Amino acid sequence: QKEVEQDPGPLSVPEGAIVSLNCTYSNSAFQYFMWYRQYSRKGPELLMYTYSSGNKEDGRFTAQVDKSSKYISLFIRDSQPSDSATYLCAMTLNTGFQKLVFGTGTRLLVSP
Amino acid sequence: NAGVMQNPRHLVRRRGQEARLRCSPMKGHSHVYWYRQLPEEGLKFMVYLQKENIIDESGMPKERFSAEFPKEGPSILRIQQVVRGDSAAYFCASSPPRPDTQYFGPGTRLTVL
Repeated sequence: QKEVEQDPGPLSVPEGAIVSLNCTYSNSAFQYFMWYRQYSRKGPELLMYTYSSGNKEDGRFTAQVDKSSKYISLFIRDSQPSDSATYLCAMTLNTGFQKLVFGTGTRLLVSP
Repeated sequence: NAGVMQNPRHLVRRRGQEARLRCSPMKGHSHVYWYRQLPEEGLKFMVYLQKENIIDESGMPKERFSAEFPKEGPSILRIQQVVRGDSAAYFCASSPPRPDTQYFGPGTRLTVL
């Protein structure tokens, strides 16, 4: 079993839809949770970063962490065609980041 | 402020040759990480370095792979005697002296013929 599970998609939605992306994980020691966006043949770009449980909002993006369920989510409101990319969740054990453990990524397609 | 730089962006090698991948971290960043992304798989951690020190190499294959981050110059990931299974995208990330998170470069795509 992988440490971090993520549905590979693709997830296809119309422009303007609310998108929900999710990851589950098995290691309860993970403390820091990140979402990266990766366009085709590019490097991952950090979108959101949260510590422990709770919500964090940044513009159209909201990240949620539920440590009791070992479940994290990224919501995208008013999705745009430019949001079409692969979204990677990542997590790590403690501060002074070292190894990030990634999900395999969910491919999102937003159609005009 | 320039981001993380990697070169070359694309590298083609024949089986048995050596591959050298270079990474220049963001200005002011002293921590470098290397990850490998195989087709249809997520990024896998390989090694974490600070200047002149390897901190964590738990993700590095035991043979043929090595990494360094010298006092001057870029970090180098070296793959000796490449095999077809080494074909992948290799990403470098960097973080500042008080690490908060990691910022990724554009990657080097290695193809082994």
